[in-house]
Amino acid sequence: ELKVEQNPLFLSMQEGKNYTIYCNYSTTSDRLYWYRQDPGKSLESLFVLLSNGAVKQEGRLMASLDTKARLSTLHITAAVHDLSATYFCAVKTSGSRLTFGEGTQLTVNP
Amino acid sequence: EAQVTQNPRYLITVTGKKLTVTCSQNMNHEYMSWYRQDPGLGLRQIYYSMNVEVTDKGDVPEGYKVSRKEKRNFPLILESPSPNQTSLYFCASSLSVQGNEKLFFGSGTQLSVL
Repeated sequence: ELKVEQNPLFLSMQEGKNYTIYCNYSTTSDRLYWYRQDPGKSLESLFVLLSNGAVKQEGRLMASLDTKARLSTLHITAAVHDLSATYFCAVKTSGSRLTFGEGTQLTVNP
Repeated sequence: EAQVTQNPRYLITVTGKKLTVTCSQNMNHEYMSWYRQDPGLGLRQIYYSMNVEVTDKGDVPEGYKVSRKEKRNFPLILESPSPNQTSLYFCASSLSVQGNEKLFFGSGTQLSVL
């Protein structure tokens, strides 16, 4: 059974600081996704990572994928309050199943 | 406007009373899927569909049914709801899951089973 684990589950950080969210998964996959969810809202797709070594960046967020280590990271640079949200990673497995991590609740304080 | 539309937004029902949550997309997407979100558990996939008449189980399919008779619609059916199906449900679609296509999510359906 595939396990997808995010670390940390809760993150409180100050504006202007950098931090990284980790997503570990337990079985081979060729596709990893990152999503953002604001409180009381739906999910918004951030990144799709397709291959080992893939790196994608948008604004202050950068995602990377290491398929050999079964690890993806979401790096936040110079955080701002607008980035406060819950971030999920999800892994595509057999067929077209998607398995999500528990989510990382990020709070950026002034 | 490209979107995934779920209805209803909120639903309160009683144990055993059959219900259907509708999901429709206007983007000609092949892939559609249903998820439930529970505190501390993230999202768990219930069912997914690769195309018309092609459906498959996700991680938590027990107690749910789906159908995909048309490309745009993917309803979620609870034949005999139970309180442990109280949850926030999301429908999502994408062009496919074979490339780098992103998933588009509906607004969610908050279901309470009493």
